[in-house]
Amino acid sequence: NAGVTQTPKFRVLKTGQSMTLLCAQDMNHEYMYWYRQDPGMGLRLIHYSVGEGTTAKGEVPDGYNVSRLKKQNFLLGLESAAPSQTSVYFCASSPKRTGGQQFFGQGTRLTVV
Amino acid sequence: DQQVKQNSPSLSVQEGRISILNCDYTNSMFDYFLWYKKYPAEGPTFLISISSIKDKNEDGRFTVFLNKSAKHLSLHIVPSQPGDSAVYFCAASALYSGGGADGLTFGKGTHLIIQP
Repeated sequence: NAGVTQTPKFRVLKTGQSMTLLCAQDMNHEYMYWYRQDPGMGLRLIHYSVGEGTTAKGEVPDGYNVSRLKKQNFLLGLESAAPSQTSVYFCASSPKRTGGQQFFGQGTRLTVV
Repeated sequence: DQQVKQNSPSLSVQEGRISILNCDYTNSMFDYFLWYKKYPAEGPTFLISISSIKDKNEDGRFTVFLNKSAKHLSLHIVPSQPGDSAVYFCAASALYSGGGADGLTFGKGTHLIIQP
């Protein structure tokens, strides 16, 4: 019963490097989300997807790109990492007719030095 | 500009007593509210929710109250237990007005500490 799985759990990047965070869900959910959480802050929405092949910008999209090529996967890319992108990243998914509840992964702690 | 506010960064409560966590919102489009619980190094887990057509929802030890006119909601935990020590996030969405796919807007969280 995996739910939402994020890969990797931890990563250290140098400024300017690129990387991709992978989110996989096995609940056949339509909607998927990427959030970031910074110290003393709530979760802020980066990008989201309402179905395979669709993506949309959230509150803080700059510096990130996303893709949803398969329904179960949602990828978050950093093309040129910056120290300001040091954060904990959470992926979430929800069914289309849900009542709003989202199911979260365990998070990826990213440090950009 | 914060649309969901949790003004208490932390709250300490004795075991067995009531814990009351507060949340205020400013966006009148919000019509669905959720509370999430988060332990360190884990993702948030859903606790309880309430839609704007209700003023109370109860689930075991957890009750959420909604005061729409005041744009205020609160989470009551009775009785508080040591395992309740965690960060609690209030979240909101415009679910029923078509914004349900747009993600949740979170408050900054309240760290609840249950003391023995």
